Amino acid sequence: DAGVIQSPRHEVTEMGQEVTLRCKPISGHNSLFWYRQTMMRGLELLIYFNNNVPIDDSGMPEDRFSAKMPNASFSTLKIQPSEPRDSAVYFCASRGTSTDTQYFGPGTRLTVL
Amino acid sequence: GENVEQHPSTLSVQEGDSAVIKCTYSDSASNYFPWYKQELGKRPQLIIDIRSNVGEKKDQRIAVTLNKTAKHFSLHITETQPEDSAVYFCAASRTGSARQLTFGSGTQLTVLP
Repeated sequence: DAGVIQSPRHEVTEMGQEVTLRCKPISGHNSLFWYRQTMMRGLELLIYFNNNVPIDDSGMPEDRFSAKMPNASFSTLKIQPSEPRDSAVYFCASRGTSTDTQYFGPGTRLTVL
Repeated sequence: GENVEQHPSTLSVQEGDSAVIKCTYSDSASNYFPWYKQELGKRPQLIIDIRSNVGEKKDQRIAVTLNKTAKHFSLHITETQPEDSAVYFCAASRTGSARQLTFGSGTQLTVLP
């Protein structure tokens, strides 16, 4: 099993640009989570999906952030327009139906200049 | 919602000594408590978890204890080694379709040779 796959691993962009982060969950997992990690705020849950349906997006910081899960094997997190304070590591995690364990992807390190 | 507090934020121990990290949670309905280890630049990885029907669980040099009445749980690492140096996160969640993890703020453990 390849585990959770995220791309890109690193992204450097300028303020105002659109950023799209991608995630492929573990095959057969039906829950997907997007987290943001910073030194100041730790690991924050942004949004999670169950069977491709967004269940809780209360952690999404503002309307500049949006997430989609068009099918069971792909999700995107989009920031438009990006700002320097969005600089962080963004993790995607997935979980299977009959387990409580979340498996994290390698993360995307985003730097907004 | 759930609130998880973790202490200490940093911990230094001599190689071979024991390390203890403590967490408290607020939601009495939480019944799943995982611990994740995150090495520098890497993803969080599950090292041990415990459910509310168990008071203690061990896996080699790692153990977790849970006190549901007091709403706190702890991670114990014995015979620490330099490779145990990392950030450790506790988390809590309910089980069921609406389950999501709330993470503590993390503990930077340094094992001194």
